[in-house]
Order: sequence, then C-alpha cells, then structure tokens
Amino acid sequence: AQSVTQPDIHITVSEGASLELRCNYSYGATPYLFWYVQSPGQGLQLLLKYFSGDTLVQGIKGFEAEFKRSQSSFNLRKPSVHWSDAAEYFCAVGGNTPLVFGKGTRLSVIA
Amino acid sequence: NAGVTQTPKFRVLKTGQSMTLLCAQDMNHEYMYWYRQDPGMGLRLIHYSVGEGTTAKGEVPDGYNVSRLKKQNFLLGLESAAPSQTSVYFCASSYAKTGTMNTEAFFGQGTRLTVV
Repeated sequence: AQSVTQPDIHITVSEGASLELRCNYSYGATPYLFWYVQSPGQGLQLLLKYFSGDTLVQGIKGFEAEFKRSQSSFNLRKPSVHWSDAAEYFCAVGGNTPLVFGKGTRLSVIA
Repeated sequence: NAGVTQTPKFRVLKTGQSMTLLCAQDMNHEYMYWYRQDPGMGLRLIHYSVGEGTTAKGEVPDGYNVSRLKKQNFLLGLESAAPSQTSVYFCASSYAKTGTMNTEAFFGQGTRLTVV
C-alpha cells in the first residue's frame, strides 16, 4: 500500500536560513508527488508537483523540490526562509489512486 | 472563482446526532474526496467519488456515508455522531486525466466539527 513518511514533526529555523523538509514515499506505480502548505485555520494550498521529466521542480513562494527515485524521496527546499513561511507542510503521493498524505511537518520561523 | 466550498465551517454536535456536510465545486471536476485531519495524523481519506453517482471507501470510512447525486456536489453524512469523529473535515476535487486519478487536488477551507 502506498504511504508517505515525513520524518520531522516540527522544525524551527531562523529567518533567512535555508530549509529542507524531508519526504519519503512508497508507491507501487509511477508516483505523482505533491507538496502542500497549510496556514493555521486554512485549507491546503499546492506548493508544487512532480509528474515526470526534470526531477527538480519549482513551485510558488520560492520553494523547490527534488525527486530522487533511487531514494524514494521528494524533499522540499527553500534557500532563504521568511517569517510568513511558518505553517504546516504536507507531502502527498498519488497517481491512479487518491492522494495519500504524510503526517505533516510544522515549520516555525524565529527572528 | 469560488473553487471548493464547504458548508458549514463550524458545527457542534451532541453524541448520537446526525448531520450532513456539503461540498460544492465549480470547476467541473470529475473526482471529489472527503478527508479528515487530526493532530499528528495528517489527512486521511474517508470516501471519494470518481464521477456523478459513484462513491468508494477510503482509509477510514466507518461511521460515514456519502452521496454524489450531482457532479458538483459531494455530501458527507454522519448518521450517529461519536466523540471520535471530532475533527476537521476537508473536501477536495480534481479533474480527470488519462492514466492518473488526479493531477492536483483543490481543497476547501475545512469544517471544524466537535462532537460532545
């Protein structure tokens, strides 16, 4: 069965520092991979998605993610974090089945 | 554009009461989903629909029923609410694409349900 693991429950970074959120997936077919962000009290907003082609994908708000098939990973990165990036981040995998989500990583940003 | 709209946004129920959550999308999407979000659990799929008149069970379907009588609407029902159903419920929709169930899911703003 498909699954997504986000190893970090909570990460704290300083404003201006770089960020990497980890995501590992298990999926029996070609995976379609997504990162969503959820601000407090809000719904989920798509940051970026990977379907095929270039393994480095660019998203909104300066985020990028790299698909590594050999490691079954799809880590999210940002070179310089802003205070407004504080939120919860969800990795998801899908394709021929509904999206399966990880448990999320909560990002805190300190001055 | 309204996108995906959920009604109501908040609700408090007593144990044993019933209610229906309404999800409406205006994007002509084929697929619709109901997820629940609980602290530390991420989002878990309750039921989904691949088209008007169809429904299917997800990961945590017990205690819930759904209906998709119209393409744009997906209803989630709780026949006899239990405290374990206290959660935030999200509806989502996606368009069909050959070879894949979805290319991107669009989410509503959520319904916060408390069962006392």
